[in-house]
Amino acid sequence: DIQMTQSPSSLSASVRDRVTISCRASQNINKYLNWYQQKPGKAPKLLIYASSSLQSGVPSRFSGSGSGTDFTLIISSLQPEDFATYYCQQSYSAPLTFGGGTKVDIK
Amino acid sequence: EVQLVESGGGLVQPGGSLRLSCAASGFTFITDWMHWVRQAPGKGLVWISKINSDGTTRDYADSVKGRFTISRDNAKRTLYLQMNSLRAEDTAVYYCARDNSYGGADYWGQGTLVAVSS
Repeated sequence: DIQMTQSPSSLSASVRDRVTISCRASQNINKYLNWYQQKPGKAPKLLIYASSSLQSGVPSRFSGSGSGTDFTLIISSLQPEDFATYYCQQSYSAPLTFGGGTKVDIK
Repeated sequence: EVQLVESGGGLVQPGGSLRLSCAASGFTFITDWMHWVRQAPGKGLVWISKINSDGTTRDYADSVKGRFTISRDNAKRTLYLQMNSLRAEDTAVYYCARDNSYGGADYWGQGTLVAVSS
């Protein structure tokens, strides 16, 4: 099975900060990498698919990059509604696997 | 509007069974892969299973293989998860989600809670 490792597991940031979250796969997954945002008590929301494609309706301050084993989610200017937990997920091969999550909270 | 509505969760004893349903509307259900994902209380997301559009291809996480079965009824626009031999560690909110053709899940239900306890 492909293991997904996210870092950091948590971070504190301020509004308008640039935030970077990393995700590493245990083997090559090409660009089959998705990013989700989840707020407490809510279902996850797809932000980025295929490493860098922005899901419809998602603000352009979110961007993704990477291929192979190393991937990055960037929030260019953190907004109050962005405080949440973020997950990466590989869809290269079953079983599909999620990273452990990165909780972004207010500094 | 795309809607996914899960049902069938509840309290069950260890070793028991439960069938979850996910009613889909607002999109062409018959053409889309579908997923089940769960989340234990206070924990992260765990992918459980996926099924292709006609139900002929199914994949499972190792933790549920042989105990859970995913299926679908395209005429009823409903996805199912049959869960047998339930364990305490299966306690979680279970979400159904639609695949966006790139392996990502672009629409999710609200989730249904399954609690396994004596």
